[in-house]
Amino acid sequence: QQQVKQSPQSLIVQKGGISIINCAYENTAFDYFPWYQQFPGKGPALLIAIRPDVSEKKEGRFTISFNKSAKQFSLHIMDSQPGDSATYFCAAGFNAGGTSYGKLTFGQGTILTVHP
Amino acid sequence: EAGVTQFPSHSVIEKGQTVTLRCDPISGHDNLYWYRRVMGKEIKFLLHFVKESKQDESGMPNNRFLAERTGGTYSTLKVQPAELEDSGVYFCASRGIRGQGATGANVLTFGAGSRLTVL
Repeated sequence: QQQVKQSPQSLIVQKGGISIINCAYENTAFDYFPWYQQFPGKGPALLIAIRPDVSEKKEGRFTISFNKSAKQFSLHIMDSQPGDSATYFCAAGFNAGGTSYGKLTFGQGTILTVHP
Repeated sequence: EAGVTQFPSHSVIEKGQTVTLRCDPISGHDNLYWYRRVMGKEIKFLLHFVKESKQDESGMPNNRFLAERTGGTYSTLKVQPAELEDSGVYFCASRGIRGQGATGANVLTFGAGSRLTVL
């Protein structure tokens, strides 16, 4: 049973455009929602993360929007650049005193291609 | 600070053979995790070590998989005997506890992965 559903599977955006990736989760006990970025030949790297007590978090061109009632969260990449081309994974986890941060449930990933 | 190192980067074996994957976490990180991504699917949790102890191995598929972390440093994941469905990319990640290391407590740092192909 997949607990975190991610869409779309692939996304093509023109340089300067907005990239939007969506995720939905089922387990309401999740309280930590990170996004990971993975380049070919590399491991996933933490991009940005949010907790459910806020509805939005912005870091540079990257923004997470969180809708607790709908159990959905999304990643917005503003002014998308060719260097943003990568696979993006959403994930969900538990903030149980910090000991469970590493046990994450991931989405299936979105391959983002930004054309020059 | 060196990152998480995994070896080999790619292994091709035949069904029924044995493969051992190795992970060297960031120095000083007590928490070490193994994950696996089967082609096109989500990255799935396999198990979690705190130092040399298995904290959570609920994601291990079956008893053909054996993970060890001798001395609480590097870890190995052995698959014996390998089956076709074991093919995928095996990721190792490490995380420090609060106050340890430059990466902090809340960041899970992944290695580049070991790609396993079982023919």
